[in-house]
Amino acid sequence: EVQLVESGGGLVQPGGSLRLSCAASGFTFSSYWMSWVRQAPGKGLEWVANIKQDGSEKYYVDSVKGRFTISRDNAKNSLYLQMNSLRAEDTAVYYCARDRAGGAGAFDIWGQGTMVTVSS
Amino acid sequence: QSALTQPASVSGSPGQSITISCTGTSSDVGSYNLVSWYQQHPGKAPKLMIYEVSKRPSGVSNRFSGSKSGNTASLTISGLQAEDEADYYCCSYAGSSTSVFGGGTKLTVL
Repeated sequence: EVQLVESGGGLVQPGGSLRLSCAASGFTFSSYWMSWVRQAPGKGLEWVANIKQDGSEKYYVDSVKGRFTISRDNAKNSLYLQMNSLRAEDTAVYYCARDRAGGAGAFDIWGQGTMVTVSS
Repeated sequence: QSALTQPASVSGSPGQSITISCTGTSSDVGSYNLVSWYQQHPGKAPKLMIYEVSKRPSGVSNRFSGSKSGNTASLTISGLQAEDEADYYCCSYAGSSTSVFGGGTKLTVL
């Protein structure tokens, strides 16, 4: 079964850090661009970052540039999001998603999401 | 990286057809045939319904169709069914390997 499973969410204070993980199974992980997409409570979807198959290219939404780092380990079939200098507005469910369109944003497989709450 | 514009809500009766619009700019929707649509039920992950403007992934009903004209893309759902009630999001490629979503549209089946 093709599957993505996120983990690592939780409650963190403003200015703190958190590392999200996404474990992939059921497909050739190293063949796909991967993305993180977030959804604040009661709000819409927001694309956050993506990474090329070999990790050589990474792109971010302006609001997280310099604070978040996307990475992957193809040997472990895993995607990561290192989040530093967290702000209240980063509170959201974070989804990892497979991009079938080579970085062009057609997300055909999604995880169940992991909740990140930034609050004191 | 401004969000695409969608109507906040649309509604229709069972069996009817509805259309959800998604307006962007010449830098995203207008420049690329790379618009996708997602269905999201409460508490669930989004599901890809349409990609590359009008293509349906395997398993998605042919009641769902997509189109684009200029800077505006559209999702049409024909033969509305109760299970179609959900939030719908458009997404467009915005250049430099980035993507932008719309604000979402809540579909109510009356």
